[in-house]
Amino acid sequence: GESVGLHLPTLSVQEGDNSIINCAYSNSASDYFIWYKQESGKGPQFIIDIRSNMDKRQGQRVTVLLNKTVKHLSLQIAATQPGDSAVYFCAEWGGGGATNKLIFGTGTLLAVQP
Amino acid sequence: SAVISQKPSRDICQRGTSLTIQCQVDSQVTMMFWYRQQPGQSLTLIATANQGSEATYESGFVIDKFPISRPNLTFSTLTVSNMSPEDSSIYLCSVGLAKNIQYFGAGTRLSVL
Repeated sequence: GESVGLHLPTLSVQEGDNSIINCAYSNSASDYFIWYKQESGKGPQFIIDIRSNMDKRQGQRVTVLLNKTVKHLSLQIAATQPGDSAVYFCAEWGGGGATNKLIFGTGTLLAVQP
Repeated sequence: SAVISQKPSRDICQRGTSLTIQCQVDSQVTMMFWYRQQPGQSLTLIATANQGSEATYESGFVIDKFPISRPNLTFSTLTVSNMSPEDSSIYLCSVGLAKNIQYFGAGTRLSVL
């Protein structure tokens, strides 16, 4: 299938290493922040979300950190595997007049080297 | 989660023609959305498909170019009208099951010649 990562920032990591993908968001009034994974030829897949009143949330092999002071969101993937290779998007939801809408960030291409 | 089927998965169309994309969900959902994803870029919301009323379009998208139907709670269509090469893109439908979480179909890859 075609690549959705042609013009996106790329993070290259070795298999087994930890990955950290960063995102800067714009709306300080957003209620939730969400990470999506998009593999080549597929639609985005929900990974994990965090509410704006939290600063950390853990899932299976993934951790999301939220720093509201600097409007920064990160996704940490432990023990990165080849199947983690994909484009990762952060998204904001809610806040102000943008209720029920997801606003997506630019995305990062994660390339896992064997 | 939900199973979302989009048809067609890809198409190659001639300039000036129209294409209707279908989105079918395996359960009733209130919120359905249509996005565009241009090559190498992020997702941009086109409109919210409202059941029983006209769709709500985002800035830069108009009903004449992207008419949307939502006849019931499991189905929606997006038409890309009078296509030009600039309309070449991936078109995605999504459903909102939880207030902040959307699930996406696999997308329709459109090339306009």
